[in-house]
Amino acid sequence: TQLLEQSPQFLSIQEGENLTVYCNSSSVFSSLQWYRQEPGEGPVLLVTVVTGGEVKKLKRLTFQFGDARKDSSLHITAAQPGDTGLYLCAGALQGTSYGKLTFGQGTILTVHP
Amino acid sequence: GAGVSQTPSNKVTEKGKYVELRCDPISGHTALYWYRQSLGQGPEFLIYFQGTGAADDSGLPNDRFFAVRPEGSVSTLKIQRTERGDSAVYLCASSLGVPGEGTTDTQYFGPGTRLTVL
Repeated sequence: TQLLEQSPQFLSIQEGENLTVYCNSSSVFSSLQWYRQEPGEGPVLLVTVVTGGEVKKLKRLTFQFGDARKDSSLHITAAQPGDTGLYLCAGALQGTSYGKLTFGQGTILTVHP
Repeated sequence: GAGVSQTPSNKVTEKGKYVELRCDPISGHTALYWYRQSLGQGPEFLIYFQGTGAADDSGLPNDRFFAVRPEGSVSTLKIQRTERGDSAVYLCASSLGVPGEGTTDTQYFGPGTRLTVL
């Protein structure tokens, strides 16, 4: 059983469309992060959220942390082909060491021109 | 270079052999992390170091896996008696400080070592 469930696992859309990726858990997280990973490379941090209800924006990307700190979402507006990649959510489970990140299984996003 | 480097980039070995995977963190980073990523999955935590000591090794799957960081910089992940199920990309990350209550510290990942056990 995945502690962090990401959905959808695959997303194929046209340039200009909007999309949302979800990251859900029954457990509480001290913090939650979103990463993007390209083939042959390690994940690269996009954002960290630490407060329940927090919303962060990074250009066309909007990240939200659930009030209960059990879930998060990533929304991309007007997707571009350059957004194509693997998106991962990860968090530090409350009650475990802060350096131990639990990752979701990832969402593979393909944006067609 | 300025980033985390890992060597080798690819390692092919036979079942039962011993392998060592090396990670060079970003200079000055006190924390170092090892993850394993299987095809189609997110990374899975293995162990993390604060300085020379293992702060949390709860992710090591069994006693065939061992990691060291003797001088608080370079780390080596050692796998004994490799099995086909050990095949994966092994990722290393480092962070400047150590995460704590209410704070996080960005983990910078290396490109990984792809281990294939035949």
